[in-house]
Amino acid sequence: EDQVTQSPEALRLQEGESSSLNCSYTVSGLRGLFWYRQDPGKGPEFLFTLYSAGEEKEKERLKATLTKKESFLHITAPKPEDSATYLCAVLFGNEKLTFGTGTRLTIIP
Amino acid sequence: NAGVTQTPKFRILKIGQSMTLQCTQDMNHNYMYWYRQDPGMGLKLIYYSVGAGITDKGEVPNGYNVSRSTTEDFPLRLELAAPSQTSVYFCASLGGELFFGEGSRLTVL
Repeated sequence: EDQVTQSPEALRLQEGESSSLNCSYTVSGLRGLFWYRQDPGKGPEFLFTLYSAGEEKEKERLKATLTKKESFLHITAPKPEDSATYLCAVLFGNEKLTFGTGTRLTIIP
Repeated sequence: NAGVTQTPKFRILKIGQSMTLQCTQDMNHNYMYWYRQDPGMGLKLIYYSVGAGITDKGEVPNGYNVSRSTTEDFPLRLELAAPSQTSVYFCASLGGELFFGEGSRLTVL
C-alpha cells in the first residue's frame, strides 16, 4: 500500500535556527511530490512540486529536495511567520494523491 | 478564472440527513480529488477521479458517493450523515500543482 510519512510530527525552533522536515514514501512509481503549508483554519497553500530524484526548488527561506525515497524541506533562518503545518503529498502511479500527516512547525521569536 | 469553487462553506446536518457538496473547476483539469480533514489531522483521501465518467475510492470512502459526469464538476454526496462525518472537506484539482477549494465545514449533530 502506498504510504507517505512525515517527520517530525512537531518541531519548535528559535528564530534563525535552520532545520529540515522529512517526507518519506513507499516506492511505487512516484509521479510527483507536493509541499504545502497550512495555517490554522485555512486551506493548504502551495509551495513546491517536485517530479524526479535530484530535483531542487527554492522560495525565500524554503528549499525542497527529492530523492528516490524521500523529500526534505529545508528552512533557513526561519522567522515567526514561517510557523505553520507543513504538508507533503505524493502522486503515485495509481493516480492516488496521498498526504502525510504533516509537521507542525513553531518558530519562537 | 475562478479556480476550484466549493459550496456550501458551512453546513449543519442532523444525523441521518443527506446532502451534496458541490465542486466545480474551470481549469479543464482531468484529475480531481475529495479530502476530509479532522481537527489537528492531515488530509485523508475520500474519492478521486481521473476524468469524466471515471471515479475511484480513496482511503476513507465509506458513507460517501461521487459522480463525474463532466470534466468541470465533481460532487460529493453524503448519505445518512453520522457524527463521524463532522469534518472540513476539501475539493482539489490537479494541474502543475494541486488547486484547492476554500473548504466546506460540515457539522453533524
